Amino acid sequence: AQSVSQHNHHVILSEAASLELGCNYSYGGTVNLFWYVQYPGQHLQLLLKYFSGDPLVKGIKGFEAEFIKSKFSFNLRKPSVQWSDTAEYFCAVNARGATNKLIFGTGTLLAVQP
Amino acid sequence: GAVVSQHPSWVICKSGTSVKIECRSLDFQATTMFWYRQFPKQSLMLMATSNEGSKATYEQGVEKDKFLINHASLTLSTLTVTSAHPEDSSFYICSAWEDFKETQYFGPGTRLLVL
Repeated sequence: AQSVSQHNHHVILSEAASLELGCNYSYGGTVNLFWYVQYPGQHLQLLLKYFSGDPLVKGIKGFEAEFIKSKFSFNLRKPSVQWSDTAEYFCAVNARGATNKLIFGTGTLLAVQP
Repeated sequence: GAVVSQHPSWVICKSGTSVKIECRSLDFQATTMFWYRQFPKQSLMLMATSNEGSKATYEQGVEKDKFLINHASLTLSTLTVTSAHPEDSSFYICSAWEDFKETQYFGPGTRLLVL
């Protein structure tokens, strides 16, 4: 069965600090990978996604993520966070070619202090 | 980007009543929609996959007679919480799968409070 783990439940950073949120998945086949963000009081929004090709993908708002197949990882990064990045971040995976359902990680709550 | 709406955004009801939540894809057709439940400070839990024109597929542990799903058109799926009880109080979120972009787009959620 597929599973997704996010190791950091809470992360607190100061503005301008660099961010890296870990995401590992468990699945034997080919997967599509996603990062979603949920700002306070808002709905989930897609940050970025990886299907194939260049394992370093760039998303909105300066975020990027790197797919490392050998490590089953898809970590999210941002060189310099802003207060407005305060949100909850979810990693998700779906098995390519199978159903379209997403398996979500437990989420990481990021708080950026001004 | 693709837009998914939900209605109502919040609802308060008495125990024993039924509540219907609508999920619409506004600018694309969705053969597949999903219903999730999110508990405070927890991740999204997939409840069921809603397929247009056929029966929904429920995840293990989700009562299909309790949570009725109807996907009557390519832009509308409904979730009906039947005979709601206080333990059904939660945040219900739908999403719609856009085939061309192979991506799920999420609705804003419906907060249900059962008294």
